[in-house]
Amino acid sequence: AQSVTQLGSHVSVSEGALVLLRCNYSSSVPPYLFWYVQYPNQGLQLLLKYTTGATLVKGINGFEAEFKKSETSFHLTKPSAHMSDAAEYFCAVSELQGAQKLVFGQGTRLTINP
Amino acid sequence: GAGVSQSPSNKVTEKGKDVELRCDPISGHTALYWYRQSLGQGLEFLIYFQGNSAPDKSGLPSDRFSAERTGGSVSTLTIQRTQQEDSAVYLCASSRAGQGARSTIYFGEGSWLTVV
Repeated sequence: AQSVTQLGSHVSVSEGALVLLRCNYSSSVPPYLFWYVQYPNQGLQLLLKYTTGATLVKGINGFEAEFKKSETSFHLTKPSAHMSDAAEYFCAVSELQGAQKLVFGQGTRLTINP
Repeated sequence: GAGVSQSPSNKVTEKGKDVELRCDPISGHTALYWYRQSLGQGLEFLIYFQGNSAPDKSGLPSDRFSAERTGGSVSTLTIQRTQQEDSAVYLCASSRAGQGARSTIYFGEGSWLTVV
């Protein structure tokens, strides 16, 4: 069975600082990996995804994530935080084949301090 | 429409009543999903429809929950005899078919259900 662990339910950084949101996964098959963002009172928006190929994936709003198979990790980073990045972030994994059922982590709430 | 549309956006119901939540997927998307987001359980998969195939109902928490998809488009999630633990945000999503996880899943803004 697949699972996702997000380390830290709350992360707080200063505006302009590095953002690092951690995600580790467990999967018996090569996974597809995703990061979604949820702004207050809104649905989920895809930030980026890893399927195959290059392990460093660039997404929207300056975010990127690196798939590290040896560490079973897919951490999300952004070099310089902006106030508008304040939101909840979800890491998710899905099976390589078949229905694209996403298994989500518990989420990390990102707060940006001015 | 341009995105996944869900209605109602908010619903308050009394314990024991039935509720119906509606989802209108993105035009041309044949795959449709329902997820539930609650404080205690996070984001959970409920059910998946793909074209004319039998739906994957493996995530439905009890037989009080059911869903149908008519004409390969609009879907309705029904919760019978609602309980307080059913209070959550019910998210619908859709994607193109036939591409597995290479296709992007687009989520609606959710239906916020409160059972009192």
